[in-house]
Amino acid sequence: QKEVEQNSGPLSVPEGAIASLNCTYSDRVSQSFFWYRQYSGKSPELIMSIYSNGDKEDGRFTAQLNKASQYVSLLIRDSQPSDSATYLCAVNTGGFKTIFGAGTRLFVKA
Amino acid sequence: GAGVSQSPRYKVAKRGQDVALRCDPISGHVSLFWYQQALGQGPEFLTYFQNEAQLDKSGLPSDRFFAERPEGSVSTLKIQRTQQEDSAVYLCASSLVVWAGGDATNEKLFFGSGTQLSVL
Repeated sequence: QKEVEQNSGPLSVPEGAIASLNCTYSDRVSQSFFWYRQYSGKSPELIMSIYSNGDKEDGRFTAQLNKASQYVSLLIRDSQPSDSATYLCAVNTGGFKTIFGAGTRLFVKA
Repeated sequence: GAGVSQSPRYKVAKRGQDVALRCDPISGHVSLFWYQQALGQGPEFLTYFQNEAQLDKSGLPSDRFFAERPEGSVSTLKIQRTQQEDSAVYLCASSLVVWAGGDATNEKLFFGSGTQLSVL
């Protein structure tokens, strides 16, 4: 079992819709959770971080964390074609190593 | 500079050749990480530096991989006797503060554009 699992996609949504991206992790002592966006051929860019159970909103993005179920999700409201990218879920257990999932490819159709 | 700078952007090596990849972090950033990203995969941790001290090298895949940051700024990742399985994008990331698990706002990771290594 991979430490951080994501559906590879592609996830295709129409412009203006809500895109829902999910991630599960295996290590129960995980403390910090991140969503990175990576455009093709570019480096990852942090878009959201979350540390406690519940929802965290930042503009069109909402991160949700459920430690009991060991899952993290990212909602993108009013999806735009410019949101088309690979979204990487990442988890840290308190040490130096951040574990990344393989990413979910998102396509937003104009 | 304004961001994390990596060079070269692309490197083609013949199998068995040694390569050196350079990372110039954001000025003043204490923490520096190297990650390896294979095609279609997420980044995988290689090693972590706090200033010049290499505090974690558990992700280095073999003793052919060596990293250094002698003056606490620029870092070099060296791969000896390259193999085809070493082909990947090597990402460098820096963070302003001592890394303590990422649960603080100022622990944000800034990634460089990476070096794409192709071993033929």
